[in-house]
Amino acid sequence: ILNVEQSPQSLHVQEGDSTNFTCSFPSSNFYALHWYRWETAKSPEALFVMTLNGDEKKKGRISATLNTKEGYSYLYIKGSQPEDSATYLCASSNQAGTALIFGKGTTLSVSS
Amino acid sequence: GAGVSQTPSNKVTEKGKYVELRCDPISGHTALYWYRQSLGQGPEFLIYFQGTGAADDSGLPNDRFFAVRPEGSVSTLKIQRTERGDSAVYLCASSEAENTEAFFGQGTRLTVV
Repeated sequence: ILNVEQSPQSLHVQEGDSTNFTCSFPSSNFYALHWYRWETAKSPEALFVMTLNGDEKKKGRISATLNTKEGYSYLYIKGSQPEDSATYLCASSNQAGTALIFGKGTTLSVSS
Repeated sequence: GAGVSQTPSNKVTEKGKYVELRCDPISGHTALYWYRQSLGQGPEFLIYFQGTGAADDSGLPNDRFFAVRPEGSVSTLKIQRTERGDSAVYLCASSEAENTEAFFGQGTRLTVV
C-alpha cells in the first residue's frame, strides 16, 4: 500500500492569514492525486483531482499544485476564513485500477 | 438517490458478533471504496471494487473482514467475530471512474462493546 504523508498534522492561523500545507507521495507509477476537505460531522468533499506534473488548480481562495517527479503537492489557502476550518486530506493512486490511499490529514483551525 | 448512502448510521454490537455494513453508491459509479476512520486519523483503506470485482483488497486487516459487490452496485462489508478494536467509522465512497473525484457517504459508526 502507498505511503501518503501530510504535514503539518495541525495548523492554527488567524483570519486573513494565507497558509499552505504539503502532501507527499511515492512518485513512481503515479496516477492521480486528490485533495478533500472534511468538516466535522460531514463527509469528505472533493476539492481537486490532479494527474499531470505541473498541474495547478484553483477553486475560489484555495489552490493546489502538483509535482509528480518529486512526489509532492501543495494546497494553498489565501486569506483564511473561519469557515475554512476543517481537515484537509490528500489521496494518491499509483496505477490505473488501484485504490486511492489517503494521508492522515492536516487539520486547519482559523480564528476570527 | 443523490449521494452515497450508508446504513446503518450507527451500530452497537457485542464482541464476537457478526455485523454487516451496507453501502449504496451513486448510480452508475463503477468504482467503490471502503475505508475505516479511527479518531484523529485519516481514512484507512480497506478494499476497492471496480465493477463487481475486488480490484484491491490489500487493506483488509485480517480474514474476519470481507466485502462483496455482487451486481456492481450495492456493497456489503462483513465483519465476523467482532473485536473491540474494530470500533471505528466505516466510510464508503464511489466514483465514476478511476481518477475522478470520489463521493463519500456519511459513514457507519461501529461500536463493539
